Amino acid sequence: AQKVTQAQTEISVVEKEDVTLDCVYETRDTTYYLFWYKQPPSGELVFLIRRNSFDEQNEISGRYSWNFQKSTSSFNFTITASQVVDSAVYFCALSEVDSSYKLIFGSGTRLLVRP
Amino acid sequence: NAGVTQTPKFHILKIGQSMTLQCTQDMNHNYMYWYRQDPGMGLKLIYYSVGAGITDKGEVPNGYNVSRSTTEDFPLRLELAAPSQTSVYFCASSSGEKLFFGSGTQLSVL
Repeated sequence: AQKVTQAQTEISVVEKEDVTLDCVYETRDTTYYLFWYKQPPSGELVFLIRRNSFDEQNEISGRYSWNFQKSTSSFNFTITASQVVDSAVYFCALSEVDSSYKLIFGSGTRLLVRP
Repeated sequence: NAGVTQTPKFHILKIGQSMTLQCTQDMNHNYMYWYRQDPGMGLKLIYYSVGAGITDKGEVPNGYNVSRSTTEDFPLRLELAAPSQTSVYFCASSSGEKLFFGSGTQLSVL
């Protein structure tokens, strides 16, 4: 069975601190996709990144970076020099490459960045 | 580009009533999904569709029905609403690369 675990329910940091959001997944498939979505207080879901299981290279996009390690089934997300606008709920998700591309979501991590 | 459009944005339903949540997408995506998000929780898949005329159950389908007569539309029907169906409902579509979400429908069953 597929499962995504985000053990950190809520994290609070002061602006400019670095913060890492953890994501651990379970799947029997060798081919799959991993995602991060952001849900700001307004409620919409914003796509951040998609990685496929064959690409373990770390990725950096501005202040955001992602560390994918198949050996530990983890796909962690780091925000460098956090800002108040980063306050949101962040979801990690898993998609197996079958005929439906449906996503299985973790329970989310609420990040609060204080000024 | 409108993307994925959901209506209504908010609705209050009485116990036992029925209603349909509308979802339409203009990206010609084959794959469409309905998720629900309970307070403080992640999203759970209700139903999904891989193309017009094809639907299948997700993780939490009880109390819901769907149909997919066109590529664009994927309505979600609630029959005999119960308080446990109070949630935020998200519709999404995909070409297989990533999911595009609608802005959600906040539904309260009282």
